[in-house]
Amino acid sequence: QVTLKESGPVVVKPTETLTLTCTVSGFSFNNAKMGVSWIRQPPGRALEWLAHIFSHDEKSYSTSLKSRLTISKDTSKSHVVLTMSNMDPVDTATYYCARIWIPATGYSFEYWGQGALVTVSS
Amino acid sequence: QSALTQPRSVSGSPGQSVTISCTGTSSDVGNYNYVSWYQQHPGKAPKLLIYDVIKRPSGVPDRFSGSKSGNTASLTVSGLQAEDEADYYCTSYAGDNKWVFGGGTKLTVL
Repeated sequence: QVTLKESGPVVVKPTETLTLTCTVSGFSFNNAKMGVSWIRQPPGRALEWLAHIFSHDEKSYSTSLKSRLTISKDTSKSHVVLTMSNMDPVDTATYYCARIWIPATGYSFEYWGQGALVTVSS
Repeated sequence: QSALTQPRSVSGSPGQSVTISCTGTSSDVGNYNYVSWYQQHPGKAPKLLIYDVIKRPSGVPDRFSGSKSGNTASLTVSGLQAEDEADYYCTSYAGDNKWVFGGGTKLTVL
């Protein structure tokens, strides 16, 4: 059974750096053409793609947020980590991680975590 | 990467069909057959309904279907049921391992 679960702080202060961890299970992150994205959703608003990492360690970032984002993975721990620097109240959102496996369901996000709500407030 | 354009809301009566559009550009929707659609109920994570424009993952009812023409993709929900009331999002691969989402559409079953 494929599962993803986000974890991290519930509240961060403005200007702080957010670190979120996605713990995956039920699949091998060594599979070719497999990857994990981070996607966020501010309260009452739309989904926004943030960053992606493939099993071969290729990384990509949202153009508008690239300067603030870093994505990495620790295959031995089944973790995908996202850091976002210089947090602002407008970054308050539910942050999701989601899996892509191109041979199975193309460039779509078939499996999602439950989401982690992060509030930016002093 | 500008967000894909979706109608804010659509509605239909049980048993009817509704179509949700998703308009992008020649750099995303128009250039790749990698449009996917997601259903999101309040407080829940999105669920994949359609991928590669027209394909359904196993377990998704065939009442949900996708299509694309030029820079616009569409999701049609046939035989509307009460449980179809939810938010729907499209997304398109935009090249260079980047994706763009639509603004979301609220489907109301009257």
